Amino acid sequence: KAGVTQTPRYLIKTRGQQVTLSCSPISGHRSVSWYQQTPGQGLQFLFEYFSETQRNKGNFPGRFSGRQFSNSRSEMNVSTLELGDSALYLCASSPQRSEQFFGPGTRLTVL
Amino acid sequence: AQKITQTQPGMFVQEKEAVTLDCTYDTSDQSYGLFWYKQPSSGEMIFLIYQGSYDEQNATEGRYSLNFQKARKSANLVISASQLGDSAMYFCAMREHNAGNMLTFGGGTRLMVKP
Repeated sequence: KAGVTQTPRYLIKTRGQQVTLSCSPISGHRSVSWYQQTPGQGLQFLFEYFSETQRNKGNFPGRFSGRQFSNSRSEMNVSTLELGDSALYLCASSPQRSEQFFGPGTRLTVL
Repeated sequence: AQKITQTQPGMFVQEKEAVTLDCTYDTSDQSYGLFWYKQPSSGEMIFLIYQGSYDEQNATEGRYSLNFQKARKSANLVISASQLGDSAMYFCAMREHNAGNMLTFGGGTRLMVKP
């Protein structure tokens, strides 16, 4: 089985722009979660989608949003980028409530 | 309050020796799960081992074992016979019962294996 894939792997944007990151889960997995990893704040949960519905949301501003499609692929969007949004964004998929399998991440740099 | 605490920011271990990475957690839920992940410099998080709060036996997966002490709220990872490829960041994480698949992570421990 193919693992979790994330695109793009690297991204450079400027302040004020918006960005969309994509995650394709392992085939058959219906839950997709997103995490932000920074040196200062560590790993923080952004949101989880299950069968196209947001099931949980972390403590992030409304500039961070996401969605899930019927094929379980997920996208997250960050609008009006700030310097502090520079981070590794990790996507994880899971069949149900079990271990989560992570993708390689998208490294976003905001200049 | 921190839900997951990893008190060792960095550790060294000699190749072929065993090492214990500490993790303490805080939750009022009776049902929860504890996970350990490895993150090499490439950035990908690799699942290592899982322990459920109702599991009576400590979890083991190959060279990894989890020393689960529920009353002390600790879930330490033991790596036996360390290898050079074990050098990485290690994260302890918890999933609480009513939190879907949301994981709360500790700050991580950087393990360095010396040849």
